[in-house]
Amino acid sequence: QIQLVQSGPELKKPGESVKISCKASGYTFTDYAMHWVKQVPGKGLKWMGWINTYTGKPTYADDFKGRFVFSLEASASTANLQISNLKNEDTANVFCARDNHGWFAYWGQGTLVTVSS
Amino acid sequence: DVVMTQTPVSLSVSLGGQVSISCRSSQSLVHNNGNTYLSWYLQKPGQSPQLLIYKVSNRFSGISDRFSGSGSGTDFTLKISRVEPDDLGVYYCGQGTQYPFTFGSGTKLEIK
Repeated sequence: QIQLVQSGPELKKPGESVKISCKASGYTFTDYAMHWVKQVPGKGLKWMGWINTYTGKPTYADDFKGRFVFSLEASASTANLQISNLKNEDTANVFCARDNHGWFAYWGQGTLVTVSS
Repeated sequence: DVVMTQTPVSLSVSLGGQVSISCRSSQSLVHNNGNTYLSWYLQKPGQSPQLLIYKVSNRFSGISDRFSGSGSGTDFTLKISRVEPDDLGVYYCGQGTQYPFTFGSGTKLEIK
């Protein structure tokens, strides 16, 4: 069956960096784009952007340009999100989600990133 | 950006009852290819969102026929009939017609 399994929770200090992974299984990784979605605890969903898993080209939403990097380890069917120079407002649950050409049929379980001094 | 406006913010329903959730977009969600990429998700407490409906009215695999989606252009509705305890959570509409993808702010369903 199709699964997206994300890396575990992270506790970081302001200014540090974090890398979150999303390992896909049950389908051909390069056939579907991977998206990233942020959810501040108790709040709604915010789309961060996506990465073309065939070409590796990332596209970022305006609020996620600069400190955010989407990357791939295609041989391992894994998409990664790195956030540098962490700020308190980066505290959130981050989900990877597989693009089914306009909607998200499969989601990772979420990775909670907590930024606190 | 396309703004997705969901109403109501919350609603309470008795088991076995029926509810409707409205989602309106600030622009038409009809894509150049003729498809309308409006989807509905349910996020149960402590879980990831799960897809219920895609392209306005198509139920995802394994989703009960108690869930139905309708609408066109900028005005969409999710209906849940014969509400069950497992239906509680927050419902989101989302659009994938144009970048950036956007979501509604959510409707919290509580069981009376």
